[in-house]
Amino acid sequence: SAVISQKPSRDICQRGTSLTIQCQVDSQVTMMFWYRQQPGQSLTLIATANQGSEATYESGFVIDKFPISRPNLTFSTLTVSNMSPEDSSIYLCSVEDGGAGELFFGEGSRLTVL
Amino acid sequence: RKEVEQDPGPFNVPEGATVAFNCTYSNSASQSFFWYRQDCRKEPKLLMSVYSSGNEDGRFTAQLNRASQYISLLIRDSKLSDSATYLCVVTQMDSNYQLIWGAGTKLIIKP
Repeated sequence: SAVISQKPSRDICQRGTSLTIQCQVDSQVTMMFWYRQQPGQSLTLIATANQGSEATYESGFVIDKFPISRPNLTFSTLTVSNMSPEDSSIYLCSVEDGGAGELFFGEGSRLTVL
Repeated sequence: RKEVEQDPGPFNVPEGATVAFNCTYSNSASQSFFWYRQDCRKEPKLLMSVYSSGNEDGRFTAQLNRASQYISLLIRDSKLSDSATYLCVVTQMDSNYQLIWGAGTKLIIKP
């Protein structure tokens, strides 16, 4: 199983600022996924981060708002840009390992925007 | 209609009881099915995959009903530590491979 380190674990930010979340995996993985989970809601996929190419964004999410980097096979960052209170959520990094559908998650980054 | 639906609960169940919850999915072409467990303020973790023939892991039994398009999770002899949110996940291949998550069912086991 993959071990994922994600940071920061939590942050409180001012409206209009940006925050970058880092995700480090202990093994090389092809795809890394960034999810958002708002209170009482299901996980929503923001984008898939591919090494060596641009991230693939899901409907409703755009690169200008959520730029992603994937410099190598063990690391990725997600930036939440020009934050508003609606961006307050838990952001989770995930990788697929051990077969289709089995995802391993970082501990999440709990973001509060004032 | 949501692609994957779960009763949000909470299910308040006394310790030792048996509890079951379902998850319905809308896409008949869905391929794989999973139950994840998410503890409060923690990340989701895979509990078990759901196979066509049904599968059991200790006190947990998962079943798939393709005709009616639902999966179920049964927990026997529930423990206090079973308190968590249980998330249903369905995979499907549209233009690309997708994981569709239910919103989760919250389970509270009471002493």
